[in-house]
Amino acid sequence: DAMVIQNPRYQVTQFGKPVTLSCSQTLNHNVMYWYQQKSSQAPKLLFHYYDKDFNNEADTPDNFQSRRPNTSFCFLDIRSPGLGDAAMYLCATSRAGPGQGYEQYFGPGTRLTVT
Amino acid sequence: KNEVEQSPQNLTAQEGEFITINCSYSVGISALHWLQQHPGGGIVSLFMLSSGKKKHGRLIATINIQEKHSSLHITASHPRDSAVYICAVPGNQFYFGTGTSLTVIP
Repeated sequence: DAMVIQNPRYQVTQFGKPVTLSCSQTLNHNVMYWYQQKSSQAPKLLFHYYDKDFNNEADTPDNFQSRRPNTSFCFLDIRSPGLGDAAMYLCATSRAGPGQGYEQYFGPGTRLTVT
Repeated sequence: KNEVEQSPQNLTAQEGEFITINCSYSVGISALHWLQQHPGGGIVSLFMLSSGKKKHGRLIATINIQEKHSSLHITASHPRDSAVYICAVPGNQFYFGTGTSLTVIP
């Protein structure tokens, strides 16, 4: 059974048109992460939620926002997508934060294309 | 400087060969993760280990905490093993290696 679900799997949006990516989890984990992964590169952490506590990486553009309305769901909003935002967006969860030795569970990713 | 270094970056093997991928890290860790990503696909967690060795099917992962080094071994490699293998270590965030792209030729 899928534990971390991302919708849609593929998303095409127009330059400048807001887009929302969705992630849900059935693991009841406290922490949810959003990563951006460009071709042949390692995933880059954008932000994470520890419960309702939002943690933004210093170099995450303001164009990227996130919402976590409840434990199960987390959304990534891209307010004005540019061509450089085309990437795979990965959601992950863990029971606690990275330094506490818990495994991360990844969703299948959403591949975003910007036209 | 990357906190996590992997080698090799690319690896091509014949079906049936024994494969080793190496990972060295510079941060203090509680556990190390080996991840697998098929082309165009999401990431699957293969192992999380903090000491010694773990085995799952044809995959074996080892770690030496003192030397800050881990290896992922694949025995009797198969074309379906073709993927990118990523080493990740937790610190203030997860630090990812740049991955090893493995191609297994029939």
